[in-house]
Amino acid sequence: ELKVEQNPLFLSMQEGKNYTIYCNYSTTSDRLYWYRQDPGKSLESLFVLLSNGAVKQEGRLMASLDTKARLSTLHITAAVHDLSATYFCAVDGETSGSRLTFGEGTQLTVNP
Amino acid sequence: DVKVTQSSRYLVKRTGEKVFLECVQDMDHENMFWYRQDPGLGLRLIYFSYDVKMKEKGDIPEGYSVSREKKERFSLILESASTNQTSMYLCASSLLARTEQYFGPGTRLTVT
Repeated sequence: ELKVEQNPLFLSMQEGKNYTIYCNYSTTSDRLYWYRQDPGKSLESLFVLLSNGAVKQEGRLMASLDTKARLSTLHITAAVHDLSATYFCAVDGETSGSRLTFGEGTQLTVNP
Repeated sequence: DVKVTQSSRYLVKRTGEKVFLECVQDMDHENMFWYRQDPGLGLRLIYFSYDVKMKEKGDIPEGYSVSREKKERFSLILESASTNQTSMYLCASSLLARTEQYFGPGTRLTVT
């Protein structure tokens, strides 16, 4: 059974600071997705990582994938209040077909 | 842009009622999914469909059934609603297996 663990689950940070959210998963996979969810809203796709060593950047967010370590990171640079949201990673196991297994989510609060 | 719509944003039903949640996507996607989201448990897959009239159980199918009579529409049915089915229900679709999933706005269901 594929398990996906994120840490931290809760993150409170000040504007202007940097931080990293970690996503570990338990079985072989070469595809990983990051989503953002604002309170009361649905999930919005942020990044699709499709191979070992993949790195994607959008604004203050950068995601990477290390399939050998079964680890993805979401790095936040110089955080701003608008980044406050819950961030989910989701893994597409190689034998799971269309299924995604989601992490529990990291609730990020950026304080002025 | 992919658009996934859900029939209701908020729904209140009584225990024992039959409940229909509908999801429609407009991008000719092959795959459609139903998840429920609960605090502390993340997103869990209930059912998914990879073609018209085809379905597969997800991780928590008990108490639910689904119907996909047309490619663009995927319905989740609660045969006899119970209070433990109070949750946020999210529909998603993807073009093919192992491709990015796009989410609808969600239906917050309360069963009293």
